[in-house]
Parts: sequence; C-alpha cells; structure tokens
Amino acid sequence: DQQVKQNSPSLSVQEGRISILNCDYTNSMFDYFLWYKKYPAEGPTFLISISSIKDKNEDGRFTVFLNKSAKHLSLHIVPSQPGDSAVYFCAASGSSTDKLIFGTGTRLQVFP
Amino acid sequence: DAGVIQSPRHEVTEMGQEVTLRCKPISGHDYLFWYRQTMMRGLELLIYFNNNVPIDDSGMPEDRFSAKMPNASFSTLKIQPSEPRDSAVYFCASSSVSSTGGYTFGSGTRLTVV
Repeated sequence: DQQVKQNSPSLSVQEGRISILNCDYTNSMFDYFLWYKKYPAEGPTFLISISSIKDKNEDGRFTVFLNKSAKHLSLHIVPSQPGDSAVYFCAASGSSTDKLIFGTGTRLQVFP
Repeated sequence: DAGVIQSPRHEVTEMGQEVTLRCKPISGHDYLFWYRQTMMRGLELLIYFNNNVPIDDSGMPEDRFSAKMPNASFSTLKIQPSEPRDSAVYFCASSSVSSTGGYTFGSGTRLTVV
C-alpha cells in the first residue's frame, strides 16, 4: 500500500507557464515533506521541503503548498523552464530525521 | 566532497547469479539508505542504517536480499540468487541529523537480470 501517492505519472507544460505537481499521503503521522527532482541517469536531488507547522514554503520559482486536512501537497513551478523537465518525487516522513517514504514520481516535460 | 559513490553503474547478470552492489556514503553522514526504483512502485526503501547498525529492513523484499555496513564508509547490498524481477535501479543515499536538505543520493546502479 502506497502511503505517498502521485496519481499523475506525467505532465506536459509550455515554457513560461505554471507547472503544478500533486501529491497525496495517507499517514497522518507524517509531518515533514520534501520534493526531489531526478534527471535521467542521475540520483534524485533535493528541491524543497516543508514541515507540518507551515502551509507554504517558497524558494525562487518553486513553492510547496501543504493542506494537512486534505493530506495533500503540491509543488508549483513558475515560470516553467525547459531545464525543469525531469521526474519529480514527493516524499514524507514522521520527522526531519525519520526515514523518507517516496511516491511513484511525476514526469514533467516543459516544451518551448 | 565527491558525494555518494555507487558501483557498478550498470550490472547485467544471469538469473541465479549473485549480485553485489556497493556504496560509499558522504564522510560524516551517519545514516545510509538503500532504495530501489521501479516504474510501478517508485522509490522503495529497502533498508537503512544508523551508525553502521541496521535500523529498519522491513522493505527488503525477501531472504534473497541482504545488506551490510561493516564500517562508516562502505555498504553492500547483495542479491543471491538474482531473478529477472529484481531488475531495477538501486540507489544508495546518506544523510546526517544536521542535514537540512534531506538525503544525498548516489547516481544509482542499473541492474538487469536476464
């Protein structure tokens, strides 16, 4: 059973527009959430995180939103760039030092 | 720092053979994780260590899989005997309590069992 779910396996967005990647989780004990980005033939790299005491965290073009009541988080990329084309993984844990549970990933393609 | 180093990058083996994947974590990191990536299940946690001690191996699929961490700078994941369904990309990652950016992953080992 997947505790962290990314229901959209792929997303295609035009350059300059907003990309919205979604993630749902089932474990109410999760209180730390992260997004990772993965290029082909490379390992995932950390992108942005949020703890449960916040509902929004922003870092440049990347913003993560957390809706605890809905057990849902999303990653917004504005504006999207071709270099953002990658697989994005959502991850969750019970704390910042607990093991991370990952979703299945969403492949984002940003086209010119 | 060279980051997390995994070897080999690619491994092709015949069903029934033993496979050993290797990982060197970042110096000073006291947590080490082994993940497996598949299309259906995404990144699955297989096992993790803290200070070289296995903490949680509940993700290890079956007895054919074993992992060791004999010292702070080296870990192995072994599959014996290997089966075609073990074909996947295996990632090693390391972190420390003070890590603010989550885990640092290696580049992975792509395993193909034919």
